[in-house]
Amino acid sequence: QLQLQESGPGLVKPSETLSLTCVVSGGSISTSSYLWGWIRQPAGKGLECIGYIYYSGSTYKNPSLKSRVTISVDTSKNQFSLKLSSVTAADTAVYYCAARINVVGGWFDPWGQGTLVTVSS
Amino acid sequence: DIQLTQSPSFLSASIGDRVTITCRASQGISSYLAWYQQKPGKAPKLLIYAASTLQSGVPSRFSGSGSGTEFTLTISSLQPEDFATYYCLQLNYYPLTFGGGTKVEIK
Repeated sequence: QLQLQESGPGLVKPSETLSLTCVVSGGSISTSSYLWGWIRQPAGKGLECIGYIYYSGSTYKNPSLKSRVTISVDTSKNQFSLKLSSVTAADTAVYYCAARINVVGGWFDPWGQGTLVTVSS
Repeated sequence: DIQLTQSPSFLSASIGDRVTITCRASQGISSYLAWYQQKPGKAPKLLIYAASTLQSGVPSRFSGSGSGTEFTLTISSLQPEDFATYYCLQLNYYPLTFGGGTKVEIK
């Protein structure tokens, strides 16, 4: 059964870079069946898709964040990562990694448990 | 960007009630819509995909319908464990977008 687990610092200073990793277990990240995504949720607010990556390295990023987002994959470690640069308080959120089914209109399932990242000095 | 408008944003209901949540898209998205349930402090859980297909393991009291711009999630008989926030997600256009959520609370 596919499982995802996020990790990374819970506190990041303004203007610095947020870095998170998602480890995939129960299956290989090098599969054509999934894309590997990041979604975030500010406290008490809705969900925003940040972007996702295929195991080959091709990525999609939300245009609203594109200039600040880097998504990468490490197939040897069965994990993928998110970097968000020049963070502000508005980037404070719970960050989820999730697997997106690689079909037209594919949905996200499963999700990691989420990790809270606070941007504060 | 495709806007998804959920209604109501909040509803109060009793155990056993039939509950319907609507998700309207700002333009047609075919049937590329999913529904999620989220409880406090937890990740969203997939309930429905492709607008009407029940995810494995999800109780049959949940159902989804619709295509194009209007979609509904129905809970046929509300159970205590169903009190949560529900989100729709459109998967037809980039960027993928979520509805604002519907919080279902106990009356």
